[in-house]
Amino acid sequence: RKEVEQDPGPFNVPEGATVAFNCTYSNSASQSFFWYRQDCRKEPKLLMSVYSSGNEDGRFTAQLNRASQYISLLIRDSKLSDSATYLCVVNGNNDMRFGAGTRLTVKP
Amino acid sequence: EAGVVQSPRYKIIEKKQPVAFWCNPISGHNTLYWYRQNLGQGPELLIRYENEEAVDDSQLPKDRFSAERLKGVDSTLKIQPAELGDSAVYLCASSLQREWGYEQYFGPGTRLTVT
Repeated sequence: RKEVEQDPGPFNVPEGATVAFNCTYSNSASQSFFWYRQDCRKEPKLLMSVYSSGNEDGRFTAQLNRASQYISLLIRDSKLSDSATYLCVVNGNNDMRFGAGTRLTVKP
Repeated sequence: EAGVVQSPRYKIIEKKQPVAFWCNPISGHNTLYWYRQNLGQGPELLIRYENEEAVDDSQLPKDRFSAERLKGVDSTLKIQPAELGDSAVYLCASSLQREWGYEQYFGPGTRLTVT
């Protein structure tokens, strides 16, 4: 079993749609959690950290469920510019583990 | 503020040749990481440095890969000899510790093609 698993995707959605990604992790001692965005042939860039209480940044909402060991990312009112691969990252004592990513394509 | 700098951006070599990648992290970031990313996969950690000390190199194929960070700032990752399966993007990242954990910042990567 992989340490970090994500929805395989791809997700193809129309502009304005709401889309959600899930990610599960196996290490119950994991301490911090992140979502990164990676555009084609570019490096990953931090999208948002995921706090225990859940957090929101504009159209993006991240949630953490420690009991079930999963995190989620919700994107509301999708834009064309949201098209990218979204990587789930789980950190235990500065040991960062990445999921394989979920590809999102937002279409006009 | 300058981001993580990597060079070269692209490298094409023949198998069995050596290759080296260079990384300069963001100023003030003590932790430096080297990752390898294959197409359609997430980055996989090769080695992590805290200052000049390699604290996690468990995923580094030590028969052909080596890395150094002599002065605790910039770092070099070397492959000798390269194999066809080493073709990938090699990413360097540095991190800053926050209250909730470490935030990583990535360089643009070096795309290696071994022919």
